Amino acid sequence: EAGVTQFPSHSVIEKGQTVTLRCDPISGHDNLYWYRRVMGKEIKFLLHFVKESKQDESGMPNNRFLAERTGGTYSTLKVQPAELEDSGVYFCASSQGHWTGELFFGEGSRLTVL
Amino acid sequence: GIQVEQSPPDLILQEGANSTLRCNFSDSVNNLQWFHQNPWGQLINLFYIPSGTKQNGRLSATTVATERYSLLYISSSQTTDSGVYFCAVGDSNAGKSTFGDGTTLTVKP
Repeated sequence: EAGVTQFPSHSVIEKGQTVTLRCDPISGHDNLYWYRRVMGKEIKFLLHFVKESKQDESGMPNNRFLAERTGGTYSTLKVQPAELEDSGVYFCASSQGHWTGELFFGEGSRLTVL
Repeated sequence: GIQVEQSPPDLILQEGANSTLRCNFSDSVNNLQWFHQNPWGQLINLFYIPSGTKQNGRLSATTVATERYSLLYISSSQTTDSGVYFCAVGDSNAGKSTFGDGTTLTVKP
């Protein structure tokens, strides 16, 4: 069974540009989460999808970030326009069943904004 | 929201030594996981352990939910154990898990 996959693994862009990160959860997992680790600090929650619906987006830092989950399958996280402080590693995780289930993380997408 | 505190923040060991990492949390939890972030940045699942004790090779973990803490034991440490160890907890009222700040482990040969 394939794990959580994320693309791209690393993206380098200039301030003001747009980047779209993609996450494919484990097949059959209704819950999909985005987290990020910025400046080597703690891993912070961004948002939670249950199927195609946003269950909790309280961690989204501002309106430059837009997350979607088409048809309850893969998810995208767009940053537009990117700022220097957006640099970090963006992790996607999925879980099945109730949202207290075990989280499985992807390998992360490293974003560098110059 | 729930608060998660990990200790120690940094730990340096000689290869072969044993260590204990601690995770304290401020409220009842339905979900607790330990992760290892390796030097390549990948988050590796170690244990899903909302309560009780589990062992996997040289690693074991114990969660005492009533006292709101979890311990991760690493025995006979190896250089490949180096990295950051995170504890993440979640409760039934919130879908998200909250991470601690991590313990950075360095194992020297």
